Amino acid sequence: DAKTTQPPSMDCAEGRAANLPCNHSTISGNEYVYWYRQIHSQGPQYIIHGLKNNETNEMASLIITEDRKSSTLILPHATLRDTAVYYCIVRVGNGGSQGNLIFGKGTKLSVKP
Amino acid sequence: NAGVTQTPKFQVLKTGQSMTLQCAQDMNHEYMSWYRQDPGMGLRLIHYSVGAGITDQGEVPNGYNVSRSTTEDFPLRLLSAAPSQTSVYFCATREVWGGSFEQYFGPGTRLTVT
Repeated sequence: DAKTTQPPSMDCAEGRAANLPCNHSTISGNEYVYWYRQIHSQGPQYIIHGLKNNETNEMASLIITEDRKSSTLILPHATLRDTAVYYCIVRVGNGGSQGNLIFGKGTKLSVKP
Repeated sequence: NAGVTQTPKFQVLKTGQSMTLQCAQDMNHEYMSWYRQDPGMGLRLIHYSVGAGITDQGEVPNGYNVSRSTTEDFPLRLLSAAPSQTSVYFCATREVWGGSFEQYFGPGTRLTVT
């Protein structure tokens, strides 16, 4: 079973920030939080990951609460091309089989003009 | 640099037929895996491999076989196709130790079993 809980769907206006929440209350100390997205029927695409600290890259920002039980993915200026299903996944680092990605159903983000 | 390639893109099988879905990567990644995605669902892990000669089962391995004779290729075999195996199949790769945490996915194979 997926270790995360996400809302099934969200809407966002084009040009506004999209804030996608994720609960992972049973996360272990050595588990990372990863975000992937899947546009239409394409293969999932990596967005960002983090352990404790907030992270930012060219695609998004990841805010992790101090107790690490929840996180928020922020798309600062959403465009229509950001319409996709967003998956929040927790897993142990990158080592061997412990690094398997287990997907839940994700959040379907619809960016509207 | 093609990344992860999958063939065929589309396939229709009759119940009981067998076939092999191909996955190839040119990134020299040790880890390769197969997922299936049913309509409206997330991806489910079928089999994975952490290197040539090493394979293991994921969440839903029944009805599928894999082998890993080279780093580059990780074929998925359907032994006797069933309608329940109608799905979109994705192959994915990544490094095993250190380096990037990013997992790269192929474009998918859309399989229909009638």
